[in-house]
Amino acid sequence: DAGVTQSPTHLIKTRGQQVTLRCSPKSGHDTVSWYQQALGQGPQFIFQYYEEEERQRGNFPDRFSGHQFPNYSSELNVNALLLGDSALYLCASSFQGRNEQYFGPGTRLTVT
Amino acid sequence: AQSVTQLDSQVPVFEEAPVELRCNYSSSVSVYLFWYVQYPNQGLQLLLKYLSGSTLVKSINGFEAEFNKSQTSFHLRKPSVHISDTAEYFCAVSERTGNQFYFGTGTSLTVIP
Repeated sequence: DAGVTQSPTHLIKTRGQQVTLRCSPKSGHDTVSWYQQALGQGPQFIFQYYEEEERQRGNFPDRFSGHQFPNYSSELNVNALLLGDSALYLCASSFQGRNEQYFGPGTRLTVT
Repeated sequence: AQSVTQLDSQVPVFEEAPVELRCNYSSSVSVYLFWYVQYPNQGLQLLLKYLSGSTLVKSINGFEAEFNKSQTSFHLRKPSVHISDTAEYFCAVSERTGNQFYFGTGTSLTVIP
């Protein structure tokens, strides 16, 4: 039974560029949440997708957007990258938003 | 909004000694509580959770945590640590009616041989 998978593992981008990160939820899960974890900090909630719609959003600018596909996989898009966007981006999945969330290994984004 | 405070950023402890990692939260509503562990260059793994029922919850690898509603705490304990327990530990809280997790800033546990 595959757990939560994320791609790519690492990514290096330049300021002003755009990036897309991908996540496949654990088998049987239909809800995907995205978190940003800056170095030395705890994860910060970006948003959650359920039934292909954004259900809840944290305190992140509109440069951060997402999408959920019919197979429940999800993408996180970040536009106009800033140096401060450098972080580990974590995807977590759950069933109908129930509170047991399973995390993927993350995508390490470096903005230069 | 909820908030989580992990009072110790770094905790060094000798192998086979007991350890306690402290977590306090603030919330105006009922919450669920979690401890996650993160090994270097990896994602978060659920260690244990409190949803309801007994306030003492245990993991399969010897960790336990006790929900104390009056003190709004959920401290993590282990009576005897191993080298393999060296990792970053995060306490998290979510509203019973919500979907968002709020994480503390983490406690780095280092087990010294």
